[in-house]
Amino acid sequence: AQRVTQPEKLLSVFKGAPVELKCNYSYSGSPELFWYVQYSRQRLQLLLRHISRESIKGFTADLNKGETSFHLKKPFAQEEDSAMYYCALISLGTGFQKLVFGTGTRLLVSP
Amino acid sequence: DAGVTQSPTHLIKTRGQQVTLRCSPKSGHDTVSWYQQALGQGPQFIFQYYEEEERQRGNFPDRFSGHQFPNYSSELNVNALLLGDSALYLCASSRPLPSSGANVLTFGAGSRLTVL
Repeated sequence: AQRVTQPEKLLSVFKGAPVELKCNYSYSGSPELFWYVQYSRQRLQLLLRHISRESIKGFTADLNKGETSFHLKKPFAQEEDSAMYYCALISLGTGFQKLVFGTGTRLLVSP
Repeated sequence: DAGVTQSPTHLIKTRGQQVTLRCSPKSGHDTVSWYQQALGQGPQFIFQYYEEEERQRGNFPDRFSGHQFPNYSSELNVNALLLGDSALYLCASSRPLPSSGANVLTFGAGSRLTVL
């Protein structure tokens, strides 16, 4: 079964500290992994996807198939990074777009 | 482009009632998915509509039904409401397969349903 696990409900760091939000998945095929973010009073929006291999707002995430992980990292956290972060996967090649989400991690960056 | 629009934004119902939520997809998108997000949880897939048909369904009872119209807009209907149906209901749209970015969902702001 497809599953996404985010072990931390809350991650609290100080401004300028490194951040790593953990995400592990289980899927037997070739998943596509995403990070979605929800800022306060805003809608859920895409942050990045693994196939793009890009850095968005200083965040990066590398897919590690051996460890079935897709951790989100940023070297220096900013206060505006405070938000709810969801890791999600989608199956490729099935002809429909069903996202399976983790339970989310709230990132709180303090000054 | 207004993106994905949902209505109503908030509503309160009592147990046993029925509710209809509406969604207009982003311009250029033809597929609509519905998700339920309970408090403190990640969104859970309810079902997806494409070409006016339900293409895939998550683990939700038949009390949850939907419809897609020729203009790609969609409705989510929930019958015989239970207290546990209280949640934020999210609509997401996506581009036609196999276009670039077809797997990227654009979400609406959601409809918050409270069942008393």
